[in-house]
Parts: sequence; structure tokens; C-alpha cells
Amino acid sequence: EAQVTQNPRYLITVTGKKLTVTCSQNMNHEYMSWYRQDPGLGLRQIYYSMNVEVTDKGDVPEGYKVSRKEKRNFPLILESPSPNQTSLYFCASSSTGRSTDTQYFGPGTRLTVL
Amino acid sequence: AQKITQTQPGMFVQEKEAVTLDCTYDTSDPSYGLFWYKQPSSGEMIFLIYQGSYDQQNATEGRYSLNFQKARKSANLVISASQLGDSAMYFCAMRRGMNSGGYQKVTFGTGTKLQVIP
Repeated sequence: EAQVTQNPRYLITVTGKKLTVTCSQNMNHEYMSWYRQDPGLGLRQIYYSMNVEVTDKGDVPEGYKVSRKEKRNFPLILESPSPNQTSLYFCASSSTGRSTDTQYFGPGTRLTVL
Repeated sequence: AQKITQTQPGMFVQEKEAVTLDCTYDTSDPSYGLFWYKQPSSGEMIFLIYQGSYDQQNATEGRYSLNFQKARKSANLVISASQLGDSAMYFCAMRRGMNSGGYQKVTFGTGTKLQVIP
């Protein structure tokens, strides 16, 4: 089954404790992206990657890191989480980054930073 | 800069009636794609419909259609014959064209919460 998976689905952590949210897709997609969703703000793009070893900032990259060492994986790293990073996070992928390509989303990761 | 505006935070519709969810966008790119997603209370993001900036006809997918008015920069979603299962959050999104600087960015609106009343 074609899918985007994220782990963990739920995470409660404390300020300053480094964490990684994993994202994996099995569709051989070139493009992958991370979003955060906050009430009243919709989804905002954090980082995206157009292919292995190629990443770029979205609209809200501060406090986050990403890497794309393999085509299928695109982990999101919070080196020193803060309470304002409490949010619902989505990973998404599409065949390419073309404007015609539909993104497919993972199930989401609900992160709480105390 | 790209911007998507959804001015209706919440809407109600009677079951079996049609409903229009508004989406306006702002871009200077000649080429772009517009998407609508549904997010039920369970949280997943479900792709509904796509419209390309050069498409001459409005997109349709089953009970969903997109009322695309390029000159007005609007891409409203029309749901016909609403069902209880249509109750959800709906997001409009835009992808930039290939010739745009930073063309791989995606911009979402703030969403409209639709509630279908029996």
C-alpha cells in the first residue's frame, strides 16, 4: 500500500530535550515536506526537499532541522524544543515538486513540549 | 509572496444541500496549482481536487467541483448534495510553478470548518 508513515504519532517531551520525528514514504517520491498545523493558522511549511541531499527552508524553519540522506526518509529534528513548538506536524510527499503534483500526507504527529 | 485566504472560519449546511467554500489567492506567478484538502476530526489530510492555472475547464471529482475564476484569483470548492460525512475542516493550498524562484514551496489557507446538519 502506497503510504507516508510518521513516528511517533504522539509525543510529550520537555523543553530542551532533543527529539526526532521520522517520516518515510514508499512511493519513490522525489519531493518531501514538513508542515506544522496550529489552530487558526492552517498548515505552514517548515522545510522541504526536492531530492536526496537537497533541502530548503519553508516559511517557518526556525528551531527545526532536516536531512535527506535517503530518498524514502525525511526526518524532522528539534534540537532544543520549546513550548511554542507544541503543534500537530505533518509530513507529505509528492512525485516531484511541480505545481501539478498532489501531495500525500502522513497521519500526523502531535507534539507537546512542556 | 504567495498567500491563500479562506475567509469563512466556519459554515453550516443542511444535509443534501450544496455548499461553497471560498478560497482566494495571491500570486504573481503565471503557473501554479490549486488544491483542496479535507481534514476530518480524525486528523488525516485527504486530497479532494486539483486545478491548474492554465486549465480551461473547472475541475470536478464526483460531488466536488472547483469554481476557478482566474481573473478574480479565486478557487472556490463546491460540494453538492452534502452528506454528514462531509463535516470536516477544508483547506485550500497553492503550489508554485516550475519557473518560479523557490518554486517548490506550498502555501495553505487557514481552513474552513464545515458542519453538515441532519
